[in-house]
Amino acid sequence: GAVVSQHPSRVICKSGTSVKIECRSLDFQATTMFWYRQFPKQSLMLMATSNEGSKATYEQGVEKDKFLINHASLTLSTLTVTSAHPEDSSFYICSARDPGQGVGTEAFFGQGTRLTVV
Amino acid sequence: AQSVSQHNHHVILSEAASLELGCNYSYGGTVNLFWYVQYPGQHLQLLLKYFSGDPLVKGIKGFEAEFIKSKFSFNLRKPSVQWSDTAEYFCAVIFYGNNRLAFGKGNQVVVIP
Repeated sequence: GAVVSQHPSRVICKSGTSVKIECRSLDFQATTMFWYRQFPKQSLMLMATSNEGSKATYEQGVEKDKFLINHASLTLSTLTVTSAHPEDSSFYICSARDPGQGVGTEAFFGQGTRLTVV
Repeated sequence: AQSVSQHNHHVILSEAASLELGCNYSYGGTVNLFWYVQYPGQHLQLLLKYFSGDPLVKGIKGFEAEFIKSKFSFNLRKPSVQWSDTAEYFCAVIFYGNNRLAFGKGNQVVVIP
């Protein structure tokens, strides 16, 4: 399958600072990327869907000014957690797919980023 | 609203028992359907997927799932589980139209030797 690389895999930051997480599709063009948050022993909560070149569509209850998503190219999307607080500590996962290939293209997942805000 | 539902969050079985996990979605349009597994301490792994064609799909590790369009369901089955099947199982749906990929809440499956 296609490869999605997420960086960093772990990050610790101080409360009040901002953290940027990168998601890259290595061998395909990801016209659509998804960002998820996963709490311990819970499911993946979809935060937003971003299409290359347009603004991300955020899920209800997700603060778009706090979780800034940029999808400026077909192979890169970034999630910036602004003014991070301890409650933002979580596991963030990105996923990418190319729906331009038509019905029947799966999404591929990054390895996730463990964010700890102290 | 588009949603994915998984019931019976905690499932405990003995080895060799049969497993069936339910997944339902709410959406009248075209969907792609997936089951993922997450073993303790590991990342998501795709078990199987349905895009079109035969509604009975076979995946890895002896799992299969059946898409029943009239019931908006995509239930996962395995005839005989092993201790190594202890994991969290997630149903996921891509909703065409707005291109969302959403997950159900997951089923924590524990297989007792």
